[in-house]
Amino acid sequence: GAVVSQHPSWVICKSGTSVKIECRSLDFQATTMFWYRQFPKQSLMLMATSNEGSKATYEQGVEKDKFLINHASLTLSTLTVTSAHPEDSSFYICSAWDRGRPQHFGDGTRLSIL
Amino acid sequence: TQLLEQSPQFLSIQEGENLTVYCNSSSVFSSLQWYRQEPGEGPVLLVTVVTGGEVKKLKRLTFQFGDARKDSSLHITAAQPGDTGLYLCAGGEGKLIFGQGTELSVKP
Repeated sequence: GAVVSQHPSWVICKSGTSVKIECRSLDFQATTMFWYRQFPKQSLMLMATSNEGSKATYEQGVEKDKFLINHASLTLSTLTVTSAHPEDSSFYICSAWDRGRPQHFGDGTRLSIL
Repeated sequence: TQLLEQSPQFLSIQEGENLTVYCNSSSVFSSLQWYRQEPGEGPVLLVTVVTGGEVKKLKRLTFQFGDARKDSSLHITAAQPGDTGLYLCAGGEGKLIFGQGTELSVKP
């Protein structure tokens, strides 16, 4: 069964809307969760690293005010795309990790901004 | 900066053929993972290799980790249409370094 649950799997919304994506670690406590963005037929691009109880670390070029990350518990992290625009349309994937374990990925969220 | 060069990026073969995907780096990695991803889904872990020279087999898939832990390969024997997907190598622990991915298409 799924180790990491990501919700929603698909969302379509109007430009200017804020969208929240949830990532839950089901089987273990994840001290770290990662958020990725992926374009068709390409590899994963790391956006940010989220540690429970502390501020997320963003990769170069990723706007922290645009992509708000909250990691309030060891099993839940959220990514909020604020004031989304068509260029934010993409496939967003989260993963959960704890030391000594492999990284487990959610099934992704297809975000389409009209 | 650690980088992983994955090749080829695209591969289209007929059912029954063999193929090898390579993942190379100038850096040493403590471990390396191989993932397979299908459209609209997240990557699924196939294997983790941690020891230099290690060979792991998963049915028709054979994974090797280089002696110096700088490179790895994935070999698929007698490929089937069900093997179609995006294969990703990733190095490290925690924050992973990903290769560019290999889009494999196996035609019946």
